[in-house]
Amino acid sequence: GNSVTQMEGPVTLSEEAFLTINCTYTATGYPSLFWYVQYPGEGLQLLLKATKADDKGSNKGFEATYRKETTSFHLEKGSVQVSDSAVYFCALRPRQAGTALIFGKGTTLSVSS
Amino acid sequence: DAGITQSPRHKVTETGTPVTLRCHQTENHRYMYWYRQDPGHGLRLIHYSYGVKDTDKGEVSDGYSVSRSKTEDFLLTLESATSSQTSVYFCAISESKGQGLTEAFFGQGTRLTVV
Repeated sequence: GNSVTQMEGPVTLSEEAFLTINCTYTATGYPSLFWYVQYPGEGLQLLLKATKADDKGSNKGFEATYRKETTSFHLEKGSVQVSDSAVYFCALRPRQAGTALIFGKGTTLSVSS
Repeated sequence: DAGITQSPRHKVTETGTPVTLRCHQTENHRYMYWYRQDPGHGLRLIHYSYGVKDTDKGEVSDGYSVSRSKTEDFLLTLESATSSQTSVYFCAISESKGQGLTEAFFGQGTRLTVV
């Protein structure tokens, strides 16, 4: 079946530190991959996405590369800010039309100044 | 922001009572989803819809039913609420794009407490 595994949190960093949140997936075929972010008290917002192998999604300084050989989609940012504190979700959408996103359990990031 | 409104935003209800949550969209998107968010579980799909009157079950559908009589509205009903259904519920929408779908856009969530 389809599933997403992401690193357990919480992740606690100082401002300007380097961030990596690991995400691996299991899927039949070649899914689309996503990172969503949830700020306190809010819904989920799309952070970035990649639809095929070797694609790199990027937004707001965050990046993730679709690695088919390692079935991974790790999220990285070179220098985090306090405002990046949130919960980050890795998700996949299988290739079949009409199917919903399948989410990992989420990783809480806390950045201190 | 995508035009998705969930109502109510907060609700406290008693065990055994029926509860209906509403998701309203102004984007005319074909696909609508209900998820629940719980600590340690991330988001799990309850039900989804791929058109008016077309719905299907998700991973955690037991105890829930849905209806979609209009494109813009997707209702989630807990027929007899239990404490295990205390959660934050999110509605999401997406649309066909090329041979796939757009990303999903989420509502602000409904926090439901069953006492």
